[in-house]
Amino acid sequence: GAVVSQHPSWVICKSGTSVKIECRSLDFQATTMFWYRQFPKQSLMLMATSNEGSKATYEQGVEKDKFLINHASLTLSTLTVTSAHPEDSSFYICSARPNDWGTDTQYFGPGTRLTVL
Amino acid sequence: GQQVMQIPQYQHVQEGEDFTTYCNSSTTLSNIQWYKQRPGGHPVFLIQLVKSGEVKKQKRLTFQFGEAKKNSSLHITATQTTDVGTYFCAGDRGSTLGRLYFGRGTQLTVWP
Repeated sequence: GAVVSQHPSWVICKSGTSVKIECRSLDFQATTMFWYRQFPKQSLMLMATSNEGSKATYEQGVEKDKFLINHASLTLSTLTVTSAHPEDSSFYICSARPNDWGTDTQYFGPGTRLTVL
Repeated sequence: GQQVMQIPQYQHVQEGEDFTTYCNSSTTLSNIQWYKQRPGGHPVFLIQLVKSGEVKKQKRLTFQFGEAKKNSSLHITATQTTDVGTYFCAGDRGSTLGRLYFGRGTQLTVWP
């Protein structure tokens, strides 16, 4: 149990285009999901907390208009990188916290590697 | 800001040697979690520590949570090549959102 998927696993796009990344919890429901980005050989940086049915909570320094988050159901959150630029190239990882499991554990997706040309 | 410090950044050991990574938070944590990330992979949950002074063991891995709930350590006894990867601690400050703030990780290399 506790499987989280991400799609796509990698994407290459041109500068100025928008890219949508999906995060799905496959065998549990998650009111709360999290989005992180990770630069090579660096730590995971929390970008935002995605809440089903309400607005996402963004960390300081993360542009909400740049990184649009939608959490339309208890099993799906999406991150859209709008007007992507080369500096947005990174590894984006989502995680989900199961509802009603009595645990704070987050389960991570496999990540999406974004390359902006 | 995100204030979870982790040292060392890199550790190279001979197989059979012990390994320890340390985590320190500037604020008291509700709980601390440890994750392992293999090269090219995603973080995999190892354990969560909640109580002050808590010690948990998983085979050769020993996890400790400090009395003040601000620091933690992961100790691996007699490392094996399968232990290779980056070990991250992640602190939860107890907000209702359950956000985790990750340390920068310790990259462990084990020489056979």
